Order: sequence, then C-alpha cells, then structure tokens
Amino acid sequence: SQQGEEDPQALSIQEGENATMNCSYKTSINNLQWYRQNSGRGLVHLILIRSNEREKHSGRLRVTLDTSKKSSSLLITASRAADTASYFCATDRYYNQGGKLIFGQGTELSVKP
Amino acid sequence: NAGVTQTPKFQVLKTGQSMTLQCAQDMNHEYMSWYRQDPGMGLRLIHYSVGAGITDQGEVPNGYNVSRSTTEDFPLRLLSAAPSQTSVYFCASSYSSRRGKSGYTFGSGTRLTVV
Repeated sequence: SQQGEEDPQALSIQEGENATMNCSYKTSINNLQWYRQNSGRGLVHLILIRSNEREKHSGRLRVTLDTSKKSSSLLITASRAADTASYFCATDRYYNQGGKLIFGQGTELSVKP
Repeated sequence: NAGVTQTPKFQVLKTGQSMTLQCAQDMNHEYMSWYRQDPGMGLRLIHYSVGAGITDQGEVPNGYNVSRSTTEDFPLRLLSAAPSQTSVYFCASSYSSRRGKSGYTFGSGTRLTVV
C-alpha cells in the first residue's frame, strides 16, 4: 500500500498566485522528498527535508514537515505557467536502507497565464 | 554525465512474451530502483537494490525479476508479459546514506503496452 496521501488531487490557479499541496503519510520516516513530473516526462527532485527539520526553502519552494501529524506541505510562491506539472511527495523510511522511496498519488497543478 | 538512461522508450509486447528493460547510470550511485506508474496510482516500487549483488522486492514485484551485477546497470525482466503490466516504468538512482541523503535521479521512462 502507498505511504502518502496527497491533497488536493488537482489544483488550478492563476499565474502569480501561491500553490499549496499537502501530503500525509503513515509510518515514521527518515526524510520526505518532493518531486515534479511534467506531462510525459520523468520525475525531477525538488527538495528533501529530514525528519529532524521543520521547514526548508529552495528558491520559490517552501516545504514544512510535522512529524507529530505525519504530514508535509509544499508551497510554491508566485507561480508561473511553467510550474504546471504533477507534484509527488515520497517518503524514505530508513537511514541505511536505500532505493526504497514510497510515493503518494500526486497533485496535478495547473497554472493559467 | 548522462544521468539515468532507460531503453527502450516505447515497447509493445504480446501476452506471454518476455523482455528486459534496461537501466544504466553513470553517477556511481549505490541505490537503484524500479517503479511503475499507472493512472491514478502514483508510482509503485517494483524492486530495488542497495549495491551490486544485492536486490530486494518492493510493493509489486510479481511478474518481474531484477539483478545487479554491476554498480551501473539494473535491468528489469518481464518473465511472461500480461496486459496488467501495461504501464510506464521508471528507473531511479541515488547516493547511499553513507554519502549523505539526497534526492533520486529518474530516467525518462519506458512506456510498455502489452496486448
């Protein structure tokens, strides 16, 4: 069964607005990662947040992690049409057990110019 | 660096045929994984490897075999293709934990149709 549940499943906003996507997961984790997938393409890693971190920034991206609620959010500020894509959270449970990311079902973001 | 290279990009198989999806990375990554992506299902882990000679099953391993004889290559074998294996397959790789946690690099995918 999949680890993550993402909310909303689809989000449509205007250029310049902020987009917030949420991810909930079921088990304890070592870290949580966010990925972007443009239509018909592979996934691109955006940001990784460790279980002992609460917030992380990368350019227009802000990720928060609440391990007590087993949830994370991804905020994209001042969105652009080029941000249109599907966004996935993925959890990595163990420090020394690699190759085993478990993905959520994704949020489909549409940014209208 | 080419990153993660998957071949072929597209494949049509008949039910019962076998084939191998190739995955190669040139980043000296220890960890490699195979996922399948189906509409509405997100990505599901098929098999993964933490290093040459070491593989393990993921969430949906039935009908697939893997081996890891070198650090660079991680082929996925479909033993007897079934229509339920119609999907997009992604290979991914990453550094080991000893070198610090990092995100995974994904290949561009193989779109497989089984008729």
